[in-house]
Amino acid sequence: GAGVSQSPSNKVTEKGKDVELRCDPISGHTALYWYRQSLGQGLEFLIYFQGNSAPDKSGLPSDRFSAERTGGSVSTLTIQRTQQEDSAVYLCASSTGTAFYGYTFGSGTRLTVV
Amino acid sequence: AQSVTQPDIHITVSEGASLELRCNYSYGATPYLFWYVQSPGQGLQLLLKYFSGDTLVQGIKGFEAEFKRSQSSFNLRKPSVHWSDAAEYFCAVGARGSARQLTFGSGTQLTVLP
Repeated sequence: GAGVSQSPSNKVTEKGKDVELRCDPISGHTALYWYRQSLGQGLEFLIYFQGNSAPDKSGLPSDRFSAERTGGSVSTLTIQRTQQEDSAVYLCASSTGTAFYGYTFGSGTRLTVV
Repeated sequence: AQSVTQPDIHITVSEGASLELRCNYSYGATPYLFWYVQSPGQGLQLLLKYFSGDTLVQGIKGFEAEFKRSQSSFNLRKPSVHWSDAAEYFCAVGARGSARQLTFGSGTQLTVLP
């Protein structure tokens, strides 16, 4: 597609429920990133996918967080047993995979855990 | 590991006044440097980036930034601010030779007075 698409744009969930956030990167972009932006904070790196390589999961805050990328394209970030501190905007970005060329962000998913 | 500091959490300027947003980074070599803008409810839009070459970089919307190696800084400037520039601005650094992730500062919120 023309840009990075994220869905849903907003999600309200009850504490303890699982949620799935979706990211559809720019066609042809081999690299895909997830970030979290908490209120009043900068962006916190979560996970990075590059082609068929093993993902860099070093930023995932706990084992309740996981992500997968199917067919080198669409990615899903899953948060299990959500907690109130998981409330944030989750941003996805994709790039050509070489030195951040074409690095483009989606509009994000605002997650609210009540 | 790289880090980014944006010392000013909030800046207020009058429309038509000049603007400078500060960004200092910590990295062992010359990094890739970026400035992003985020309007309310929106994703991040790239204003400009520095990879190499001329240390004065021109971006969109009339913004420019200057890379100063001796000061480890990459300050964003605009000679005359417009009301539509009110937004949050993020500086980010990426490691050379790797497209693994960007490290972001905590952001500077810009308010523009009429």
